[in-house]
Amino acid sequence: GENVEQHPSTLSVQEGDSAVIKCTYSDSASNYFPWYKQELGKRPQLIIDIRSNVGEKKDQRIAVTLNKTAKHFSLHITETQPEDSAVYFCAATTSGTYKYIFGTGTRLKVLA
Amino acid sequence: KAGVTQTPRYLIKTRGQQVTLSCSPISGHRSVSWYQQTPGQGLQFLFEYFSETQRNKGNFPGRFSGRQFSNSRSEMNVSTLELGDSALYLCASSLTGREETQYFGPGTRLLVL
Repeated sequence: GENVEQHPSTLSVQEGDSAVIKCTYSDSASNYFPWYKQELGKRPQLIIDIRSNVGEKKDQRIAVTLNKTAKHFSLHITETQPEDSAVYFCAATTSGTYKYIFGTGTRLKVLA
Repeated sequence: KAGVTQTPRYLIKTRGQQVTLSCSPISGHRSVSWYQQTPGQGLQFLFEYFSETQRNKGNFPGRFSGRQFSNSRSEMNVSTLELGDSALYLCASSLTGREETQYFGPGTRLLVL
């Protein structure tokens, strides 16, 4: 069945450093890849997404890259701040399935 | 617009009981998806509804069921509760359920004793 693997499960970085989270998907037909941020006790919220016809997308300090050949995509956060501390989830979906497969999450800690 | 709402927010049940959770999507959103969130397992897809029709379901036993009403509100039911059903149940709504942003509700935290 479809699967999304996410690494690492936990990540600690110093404030101002960069953080990278990687996900690998199994369904080669997947065409939409969102990233969600979930702060403690809060609901997941979309922070960035990418479609399969695009290789990279940036939004201020956040960027996502997609490698369709290798079937993996990554979240890059630059100049990390304490408020970036949260759990980040990647997901993948395939057109026509109406089903999102989520990774198991990465707990990011930004140390001041 | 008001966000996605879920009721109740917390539930305590005992094994063997059944439970019904409710989700009200953002106005105009016709797709509602349900997820089970447990520590270490991330968000696991339960099912998705659009215009009162289930279009896909995840790998959960038949004890988990759902439905959607004509106003797009959705309910999920878990019968014969087991200890392992303890989790945060999240619903998410979107306009069509296709490749687009999903907006999550605050979740219902279910504890099975």
